[in-house]
Amino acid sequence: QSALTQPASVSGSPGQSITISCTGTSSDVGYYNYVSWYQQHPGKAPKLLIYEVRNRPSGVPDRFSGSKSANTASLTISGLQAEDEADYYCSSYAGSSTYVFATGTKVTVL
Amino acid sequence: QVHLVQSGAEVKKPGASVKVSCKASGYTFTSNAMHWVRQAPGQSLEWMGWINAGNGNTRYSQKFQGRVTITRDTTASTAYMELSSLRSEDTAVYYCAREAGYYDYVWGTYPGGMDVWGQGTTVTVSS
Repeated sequence: QSALTQPASVSGSPGQSITISCTGTSSDVGYYNYVSWYQQHPGKAPKLLIYEVRNRPSGVPDRFSGSKSANTASLTISGLQAEDEADYYCSSYAGSSTYVFATGTKVTVL
Repeated sequence: QVHLVQSGAEVKKPGASVKVSCKASGYTFTSNAMHWVRQAPGQSLEWMGWINAGNGNTRYSQKFQGRVTITRDTTASTAYMELSSLRSEDTAVYYCAREAGYYDYVWGTYPGGMDVWGQGTTVTVSS
């Protein structure tokens, strides 16, 4: 099972909106509505931001939103803040009891 | 407050086994599945397997099939991940993570949203 593809880096200024794409195949992202997004600060454990494509756990600001079209899922961060600078990973169920993570995107707040 | 607390760092020689524990608190342990995910230095995340903490059913990534065993002790609210035949490529931080969703009987799996994570356990494999 191949890893999902994300851009290596995305940057934006405070207050701006950025979108991170997560491209898979018709066997994972395109087939199941089981896409999750995680934020990871250096040396810390990942934090769940979005589950099942577009649902936010309690406590996650509504600045974070998820969507999906065909084989590509997206995470949008609106009103970018300094504390959003981190690594972001998407994951998807890929069938046969397998989950695949993406390569990760480093978000830089300029 | 929901917490997952993992055991401490380990240093192992190639060919050895390692067993990492993950103690849950703040929720009913048997109500959620538990995933194990690892992260090699500077790399992305890699799913290893899950256990239904209620009935003990497990699923493993094909990559680790035959080398990984996930178990749980419901009386201690603790999940365990044992990885055998260690090699240098297994050097990584190993995380346990609680599954947020319910079992999907159509697809025979969990949604894979991991809402609570342990602090991670560093496993170093070196001769």
